[in-house]
Amino acid sequence: SYELTQPLSVSVALGQTARITCGGNNIGIKNVHWYQQKPGQAPVLVIYRDSNRPSGIPERFSGSNSGNTATLTISRAQAGDEADYYCQVWDSTTGVFGGGTKLTVL
Amino acid sequence: QVQLQESGPGLVKPSETLSLTCAVSGYSISSGYYWGWIRQPPGKGLEWIGSMYHSGSTYYNPSLKSRVTISVDTSKNQFSLKLSSVTAADTAVYYCARTDGYRAVDIWGQGTMVTVSS
Repeated sequence: SYELTQPLSVSVALGQTARITCGGNNIGIKNVHWYQQKPGQAPVLVIYRDSNRPSGIPERFSGSNSGNTATLTISRAQAGDEADYYCQVWDSTTGVFGGGTKLTVL
Repeated sequence: QVQLQESGPGLVKPSETLSLTCAVSGYSISSGYYWGWIRQPPGKGLEWIGSMYHSGSTYYNPSLKSRVTISVDTSKNQFSLKLSSVTAADTAVYYCARTDGYRAVDIWGQGTMVTVSS
């Protein structure tokens, strides 16, 4: 089965740039989606198909995908960006999520 | 505005079948998209359970396939999850979800907590 690897935690200073990685075997040929989840809430799609933002998601959120690593980049990090972030791909007959990364804004 | 709302028992006994329903408003299931279920054990990450295209094709997580059934009722504009032979490991928040053609979940339900305990 396909596996996605994310760092358990990432810290970023207020106003700086955070990068959250998602590793997988040749993930560059897959469509990668990213979700933000705040405590007690359902996840929210923030990036789809590697680098596309849904309506209502700030331009500060961007994504890239190449080789064995996909990356979610959050520019000018705000306190409200503090959350868990999950990457996701489709593999054969099922969706696969990464283990999630807790983003802390210092 | 498309909205999804889960409903079902919050407590299920071990070895029994977990049954949940997701009511869809603001969009007709028969018009397209995939409709499915994702769960999250307390304090843990997300796990894909399965999804179904409006025409009837189903796609299940291989690790749960032998116990899962997802069905759609277009007349009521809702879809359902059945998970058989549950154990404590199936305790989780269960989300219903709409998935697009690239399998991104663009709409989530609010989630419903299901506890497996005697």
